[in-house]
Amino acid sequence: SQQGEEDPQALSIQEGENATMNCSYKTSINNLQWYRQNSGRGLVHLILIRSNEREKHSGRLRVTLDTSKKSSSLLITASRAADTASYFCATDALEGYSTLTFGKGTMLLVSP
Amino acid sequence: SQTIHQWPATLVQPVGSPLSLECTVEGTSNPNLYWYRQAAGRGLQLLFYSVGIGQISSEVPQNLSASRPQDRQFILSSKKLLLSDSGFYLCAWDGQGAYNSPLHFGNGTRLTVT
Repeated sequence: SQQGEEDPQALSIQEGENATMNCSYKTSINNLQWYRQNSGRGLVHLILIRSNEREKHSGRLRVTLDTSKKSSSLLITASRAADTASYFCATDALEGYSTLTFGKGTMLLVSP
Repeated sequence: SQTIHQWPATLVQPVGSPLSLECTVEGTSNPNLYWYRQAAGRGLQLLFYSVGIGQISSEVPQNLSASRPQDRQFILSSKKLLLSDSGFYLCAWDGQGAYNSPLHFGNGTRLTVT
């Protein structure tokens, strides 16, 4: 079953605007990761946030994690056309040996 | 640096034919290896993972099987393809014993079963 669920399913913005994507999950986690997938390609890891962290930055990316609400958000600031892609959250469950569980993703379209 | 190779990039196969997709990793030893499938507009479904040579864990019972004949080689197979096997297949690896490490993906194989 899928642990993470992204919201919205699709997002269309103009270059220069900020893009915010949300992820909700169901069970306690060790960490939460965000990945990007360009059309027809493999996924690329963007950022990992541990369960004891609340916020993390990487370049134009900002990720927050609220374990009490079991949710995370990915903010892309000053978006560019090259940011057009699908974005997935993935969770690593707390109990035992766990493989990553991916959500269905948010499709982001950034128009010039 | 580590690289992951996955081939072929695209494949069109008739129903009932066999399948063999191969994935190899370079630049690391004893990786965990994974096969995922992605249906159109959906997330990734974990099919198989392996923590060592000859060790395979299956997440979803289905028409597919996996093997790991060498440390850095992971093969996805089927004896007889079904229409429902169509999809985008992704191989990935992460570090052995890596608790909080990211997955590294290949570029995928687009399989169309006709």
